[in-house]
Order: sequence, then structure tokens, then C-alpha cells
Amino acid sequence: QQKVQQSPESLTVSEGAMASLNCTFSDGTSNNFRWYRQHSAKGLEVLVSIFSDGEKEEGRFTAHLNRANLHVSLHIREPQPSDSAVYLCAVSMGPGTGSKLSFGKGAKLTVSP
Amino acid sequence: DPKIIQKPKYLVAVTGSEKILICEQYLGHNAMYWYRQSAKKPLEFMFSYSYQKLMDNQTASSRFQPQSSKKNHLDLQITALKPDDSATYFCASSQTGLSSYEQYFGPGTRLTVL
Repeated sequence: QQKVQQSPESLTVSEGAMASLNCTFSDGTSNNFRWYRQHSAKGLEVLVSIFSDGEKEEGRFTAHLNRANLHVSLHIREPQPSDSAVYLCAVSMGPGTGSKLSFGKGAKLTVSP
Repeated sequence: DPKIIQKPKYLVAVTGSEKILICEQYLGHNAMYWYRQSAKKPLEFMFSYSYQKLMDNQTASSRFQPQSSKKNHLDLQITALKPDDSATYFCASSQTGLSSYEQYFGPGTRLTVL
């Protein structure tokens, strides 16, 4: 069964400084990776999806994937206080295995002014 | 306008009772899902439907029954409620059931079972 672990559990950064979050997964055949953001008591907002090794940028959000190391990361450039939220890593398997997403527990990001 | 509507936003139930959680999506998607987020646990996949047919069921208990009366509806009926069922239940949808398509989530229904 897929295990998804995120680190750190919480992170505080100053406004404008880079924020970096990490995610490891257990199944090396996984090939779809997503980062979601969840503001308190609200739904999930997809930030960036990545399907192949390397880097994928969506605005201020950049995901890095290294499947050999079972690792995907999220970097937030110039974070704002409004970016304070819980960030969730989600992993799904490839075609033929359905679209079930396995999530990490989340990382709470606080951006201080 | 919200694209995925979940009703109610908050729900309090007593142990042993039955409740239905409503989900409607207006994204024109063909696949819908239910996930559960319990305290201190990761968001957990429950069901997936594609073209109103069950594709995947990761919920061990038959007390949880999805109901798809229309293409853009996927309700969740929970019977014989237990305090452990207390969680926020999220509905999601995607264009199709293939994993390459984004899943968009609703705002959730927070269920408390006393």
C-alpha cells in the first residue's frame, strides 16, 4: 500500500523568503504527483501537478520530482501571508490502476509579514 | 459560483442514526469521488465513480453507500453512525477516471457523531 510522508510537519518563513516542502512515497511505480493547498476549514486547491522527473513551474510554485529517490518537493517563491495554509502531497498510480489519490498528512506553512 | 457543492456544510448526528451527504458538481466531469479527512490522519480515499458506475471502493464498511442519481451527483449515505465516523467528508470530481486528470475538491461536509 502506498505510503506518503511529508516533511517538515510545520514551517514558518518570512514573507518573501523561499519555502520548501518535501514528500516521499513508497511505490516507485507511481507516476502522477500533485501538490494541493488547504486553507483552514476549506476545500483543496490544486497548485501544481508533475508526471515526469524534473521540474514543473506554475506561477510561484515549483515542483521537483525524482522518482529514483521516491521524492517530490514543492518550492514557493516569494511567499505571502495569504499562502499560510496546509500543503498536501498527493500521489496516484499510473494508467490501469484507477485514479485514487494517496495523501500525506500535510505540512502547515505559516508566512510571517 | 462554486463548481462543486456539498451540503450540508456542518452535520451533527447521534450514534446509530443515518445521514446522507450531498455532492453536486457543475464542471461537466464524468468521474466523482469521496474522500474522508479524520483528525490527525491523512486525507483518505473512499470511493470513485466513473459515468455513474463504481470504479473503486476502499471503504471496508458497507455502512457507507454512495448513490449516483444523476451524472453530476454523488451522494454518500452513512448508516448506523459511530463516533469514529466523525470527520470532514470531501467530494471531488475529474474529467474522467484516468489518473492524469486533475481532481477538484468541494468545500467538505464536517460530520460530528455524538
